[in-house]
Amino acid sequence: GQQLNQSPQSMFIQEGEDVSMNCTSSSIFNTWLWYKQDPGEGPVLLIALYKAGELTSNGRLTAQFGITRKDSFLNISASIPSDVGIYFCAGQGPNTGNQFYFGTGTSLTVIP
Amino acid sequence: EAGVVQSPRYKIIEKKQPVAFWCNPISGHNTLYWYLQNLGQGPELLIRYENEEAVDDSQLPKDRFSAERLKGVDSTLKIQPAELGDSAVYLCASSLTSGRSGDTQYFGPGTRLTVL
Repeated sequence: GQQLNQSPQSMFIQEGEDVSMNCTSSSIFNTWLWYKQDPGEGPVLLIALYKAGELTSNGRLTAQFGITRKDSFLNISASIPSDVGIYFCAGQGPNTGNQFYFGTGTSLTVIP
Repeated sequence: EAGVVQSPRYKIIEKKQPVAFWCNPISGHNTLYWYLQNLGQGPELLIRYENEEAVDDSQLPKDRFSAERLKGVDSTLKIQPAELGDSAVYLCASSLTSGRSGDTQYFGPGTRLTVL
């Protein structure tokens, strides 16, 4: 199945630093979702985006729905050790048959 | 409100044995999804139900995989017989509806299958 291009693949940062990751697609989407997955657990929804240009925050997390509708960005400010995990984007659009496609994930390591 | 419930959380079987996974979606969610997640990858859809109807099973390996959602609530995914390559995490997710802008998916904790 199709997977979105998500980058970077992995990040190693110092506690307190800001983090940025993005996801791109060859198809336009109507919905972008961002998830965090801890080891041995299912993905947990962080932020949902429904309109092009939309900017939504959830605490220290901010995500944006790209104007072209083919990309999305997730930023984490002032990272803390519990931010460690794998972050996935997911998108759904008129050409996906109502199916969500997922990115390959960004693995985040926060060094105290 | 309870989230998506899956059981078992872990399963270890020998190849050629059958295995079944169970999922109970969030109450009121009409759409249920089964995903396969290999190590280091994002989830990949196996089958999507809207109520009791399987509306997208194009990626389900039908020679050995089967699924049912008889009353449009909980669902079972079965593999018979299991192969070594089936070792993965099987995730269940649910949403209120599908295909409507503004809807989101919520995942269960997954079942980690190991085939020896």
